[in-house]
Amino acid sequence: TQLLEQSPQFLSIQEGENLTVYCNSSSVFSSLQWYRQEPGEGPVLLVTVVTGGEVKKLKRLTFQFGDARKDSSLHITAAQPGDTGLYLCAGAVSGSNYQLIWGAGTKLIIKP
Amino acid sequence: DSGVTQTPKHLITATGQRVTLRCSPRSGDLSVYWYQQSLDQGLQFLIQYYNGEERAKGNILERFSAQQFPDLHSELNLSSLELGDSALYFCASSVYPQGNEQFFGPGTRLTVL
Repeated sequence: TQLLEQSPQFLSIQEGENLTVYCNSSSVFSSLQWYRQEPGEGPVLLVTVVTGGEVKKLKRLTFQFGDARKDSSLHITAAQPGDTGLYLCAGAVSGSNYQLIWGAGTKLIIKP
Repeated sequence: DSGVTQTPKHLITATGQRVTLRCSPRSGDLSVYWYQQSLDQGLQFLIQYYNGEERAKGNILERFSAQQFPDLHSELNLSSLELGDSALYFCASSVYPQGNEQFFGPGTRLTVL
């Protein structure tokens, strides 16, 4: 069974703080995506990482793909209330016909 | 706006009933995926269609079925509904049959009373 573990499951911090969310697996991914979902809405794709060691930045969000393509992290600098949401990672595994394996998500709350 | 549309937005029904959820993918996308999300839970993949053909199956109950029509819209049929089927149902679409970069609709909130 292929699993994608996200940690922490829940995080509540004050505005202005930094945080990191992790996505780990024993599987090697051909690519990995991060999505953000706000309550009652569909997930929105934030980024796709493909190359081992790749780092992508989206304003205050920094995404990193592990060298072995088994893990990824999302770092948010100076978090703002607008960052509140459920962050989901999803990895594409070549052995499963590139179907996405989804993490359970990290629920992030940024308090003003 | 992702370009994926879902109807209805809300659906309230009784146990034992049958409902149909509808999804129109983004223009040009051939793949449609259905997901179930219960309260405060992650996404559970149900089923994928690509260009009218079933491509992958996840944790879809036998009481549930789906199809994709020639115009590429898709319907998810849920029958013999139970209280536990209450959830958000999302449709997503992508260009290719592989699961990369999916674009999600706004979801249908199903409440079974």
